[in-house]
Amino acid sequence: QKEVEQNSGPLSVPEGAIASLNCTYSDRGSQSFFWYRQYSGKSPELIMFIYSNGDKEDGRFTAQLNKASQYVSLLIRDSQPSDSATYLCAVNVVTGNQFYFGTGTSLTVIP
Amino acid sequence: DGGITQSPKYLFRKEGQNVTLSCEQNLNHDAMYWYRQDPGQGLRLIYYSQIVNDFQKGDIAEGYSVSREKKESFPLTVTSAQKNPTAFYLCASRRQGRIQPQHFGDGTRLSIL
Repeated sequence: QKEVEQNSGPLSVPEGAIASLNCTYSDRGSQSFFWYRQYSGKSPELIMFIYSNGDKEDGRFTAQLNKASQYVSLLIRDSQPSDSATYLCAVNVVTGNQFYFGTGTSLTVIP
Repeated sequence: DGGITQSPKYLFRKEGQNVTLSCEQNLNHDAMYWYRQDPGQGLRLIYYSQIVNDFQKGDIAEGYSVSREKKESFPLTVTSAQKNPTAFYLCASRRQGRIQPQHFGDGTRLSIL
């Protein structure tokens, strides 16, 4: 079983809509969770992270964490064409220094 | 500006040749990492280091070697034993602490000649 799983997509949403990206993880001892955005041919850039159950908002982005269900999601409100990218979910496991990455979800925002 | 610098941006390897990818950071981060990314795939951990003169193997360390002689530097050597080295190589660093994120350099794209 993979440590971190994401729906590879592609996910398409119209401009202005809400994009919902999901991630599940297998290690119940996972401590912190990160969302990265990766444009084609570029390196990942951090969008936000979360470590407590519930929601965390930062501008148009909201991360949601449910440790009981081992589930973390990212909502992008008012999606823009510039949000079109691959979104990587990463989990920091209990040992603290290793991160496990999902394979990413490809998002296309249609103007 | 603080950041992580990877060089070169593009690298070509001949058969039987070892090549070294550079990663330097001026963020005063303790931990450094090397990942490999193949098209359409996620990041796979090659090696990581938490302190100077110490490093651990990741999931795909075979055919690679690293050193950590200085806190700022974590070079990766792709040896001739790595038979399929064509990939995008990413270096990352982070502060110690369970909620500290990794930050990435711009990557090195390695191809076989």
